[in-house]
Amino acid sequence: SDELTQPPSVSVSPGQSARITCSGDAMSKKYSYWYQQKSGQAPVLVIYEDNKRPSGIPERFSASISGTMATLTISGAQVEDEADYYCYSTDSSGNRWGLFGGGTKLTVL
Amino acid sequence: EVQLLESGGHLVQPGESLRLSCAASGFTFNNFAMSWVRQAPGKGLEWVSGISESGQKTYYADFVRGRFTISRDNSKNTLYLQMNSLRAEDRAIYYCAKVVSGSHLTPDVWGQGTLVTVSS
Repeated sequence: SDELTQPPSVSVSPGQSARITCSGDAMSKKYSYWYQQKSGQAPVLVIYEDNKRPSGIPERFSASISGTMATLTISGAQVEDEADYYCYSTDSSGNRWGLFGGGTKLTVL
Repeated sequence: EVQLLESGGHLVQPGESLRLSCAASGFTFNNFAMSWVRQAPGKGLEWVSGISESGQKTYYADFVRGRFTISRDNSKNTLYLQMNSLRAEDRAIYYCAKVVSGSHLTPDVWGQGTLVTVSS
């Protein structure tokens, strides 16, 4: 399957670790990426090439891959981390060049 | 600072056409592939189309192939999306994005988007 599956929602208290998963065959074949989208704003890239952080992204954001599942971890989540998070990958088979997961709403309260 | 400014979105009727533009600044435009991504109101992100640095190679999602055409003018640092035969389901915010360096078409920095509404 070339679909990417994410849980619709994750909820944590401030200071706890938040983990958001993304599963799909593409995860084991291509790099994974993660985006944060706060309400009313454009998405922001927070993880690229499986586990790298762009400049300006806090160190509490990290990611890992195991088989066909990628996991975004926010260590010590803060209220300002509340947002929708999307995973992304590419799968050149079947002309599916860009794949987004369905998104996960992270609530921090 | 990378800046992307989309324009051209507005209300059209089903079957009509629209051209979106994305003015880029703050980076060497012709060194980067570019992508369009859309988001229907209250829904998730959908990758729509991508184009190589030179503009010679173009790529489309299945749901727009044959109706949309991506292009770029490197002399004007501008990306375009020609949208024909618009459908109600094309209603969305359309974002242009500079592609992650070294990746194929992966969005990196995004513009603020332009809203396309298709309704009779």
